[in-house]
Amino acid sequence: EIVLAQSPGTLSLSPGDRATLSCRASQTVSSNYLAWYQQKPGQAPRLLISGASSRATGIPDRFSGSGSGTDFTLTISRLEPEDFAVYYCQQYGSSVCSFGQGTKLQIK
Amino acid sequence: EVQVVESGGGLVQPGRSLRLSCAASGFTFTDYGMHWVRQAPGKGLDWVAGINWNSAIIGYADSVKGRFTISRDNAKNSLYLEMNSLRPEDTALYYCVKAHYGTYSPLDYWGQGTPVTVSS
Repeated sequence: EIVLAQSPGTLSLSPGDRATLSCRASQTVSSNYLAWYQQKPGQAPRLLISGASSRATGIPDRFSGSGSGTDFTLTISRLEPEDFAVYYCQQYGSSVCSFGQGTKLQIK
Repeated sequence: EVQVVESGGGLVQPGRSLRLSCAASGFTFTDYGMHWVRQAPGKGLDWVAGINWNSAIIGYADSVKGRFTISRDNAKNSLYLEMNSLRPEDTALYYCVKAHYGTYSPLDYWGQGTPVTVSS
């Protein structure tokens, strides 16, 4: 089972700032099958990025994903008030998937 | 409109069993893999199990392997999770989730979840 480690655990920034979230895998993620999700309190997660860098339908272009192999990054170029939430990475490159522990993005 | 609706959660004693169900609608069920993901109160997402469209490919998290069984009935557009030998650490909100496409796929549509509490 691939273990995903996200950093930092909590990120405190202001609207308009740039956010950089990291996800590191314990072994190579097959075919870069790495997704990012956003979860707000009381809501189900929302798919943001799949295949490490492809934005899902309707996701603003301030969200971008990059990386390959074992190191992946989610970047939010200019934070909007609605972007403050918890973000999870997930690998789906085999029949056994896994999530990272999450990064909480909070207002500074 | 895509919908996945979970049922079957509740309070159960340690060591007992529970069966969760998920009714899917608004999409061609046989075109997609399906998953169960759980979230303990105040904690992160925890992938539990996944199954491809024809049940040929099934995977489990190490924490539930040998205790939980995922299955689907394509004729009924339904997904199931049979949970045996339940432990207090299995307490969580259990989500039924549709895969975005194919077999190895991110997850797109999530249900509202059904709560499971394992306690004596």
